[in-house]
Amino acid sequence: GAVVSQHPSRVICKSGTSVKIECRSLDFQATTMFWYRQFPKKSLMLMATSNEGSKATYEQGVEKDKFLINHASLTLSTLTVTSAHPEDSSFYICSASTPDSTDTQYFGPGTRLTVL
Amino acid sequence: AQSVTQPDIHITVSEGASLELRCNYSYGATPYLFWYVQSPGQGLQLLLKYFSGDTLVQGIKGFEAEFKRSQSSFNLRKPSVHWSDAAEYFCAVGPGTNAGKSTFGDGTTLTVKP
Repeated sequence: GAVVSQHPSRVICKSGTSVKIECRSLDFQATTMFWYRQFPKKSLMLMATSNEGSKATYEQGVEKDKFLINHASLTLSTLTVTSAHPEDSSFYICSASTPDSTDTQYFGPGTRLTVL
Repeated sequence: AQSVTQPDIHITVSEGASLELRCNYSYGATPYLFWYVQSPGQGLQLLLKYFSGDTLVQGIKGFEAEFKRSQSSFNLRKPSVHWSDAAEYFCAVGPGTNAGKSTFGDGTTLTVKP
């Protein structure tokens, strides 16, 4: 149980375009999902908390207009990187908590974004 | 403020040898502690977690970890390493009420020699 998927697993785009990454909880309803960014050989950095039916909560220093998050249903959250630039290239990982176990998060497989 | 230190950036062990990965934390309240494993290009998989009770915690894939409050440590161990254990290992500490507020260490890369 508690499986989280992400799509796509890899994406390459041109500078200036927007990219949407999907995060789905496959076998449970996730009222809260989290979006992380991971640089090579580095730890995970929490970008934002995605709450179903309400606005996302962004961590300090994360541009909310750059990284648009939508959590329209209990099983789907999306992260849109708008007007992407090469410095946005990274590994983006989402996670979700089950309603009865908010102390534990289950991670998706990640999305490798490369901006040319 | 909470923080996690994984002192070893890279560890190499021979297959069949024992393994210990170190984790030290700083947290103002009772910590919720986690160990995750990440294979190349993949997300994180939860190995084990500690909230309370027995300070020796058993996890998946034969891993265990011991919580030592006096040393602010939560070291991960495995008695006999398999080649498939080669991966990146992350220790994390956070509040129990919101897993997303966990702080992660910088990770330890494990290489397994045949």
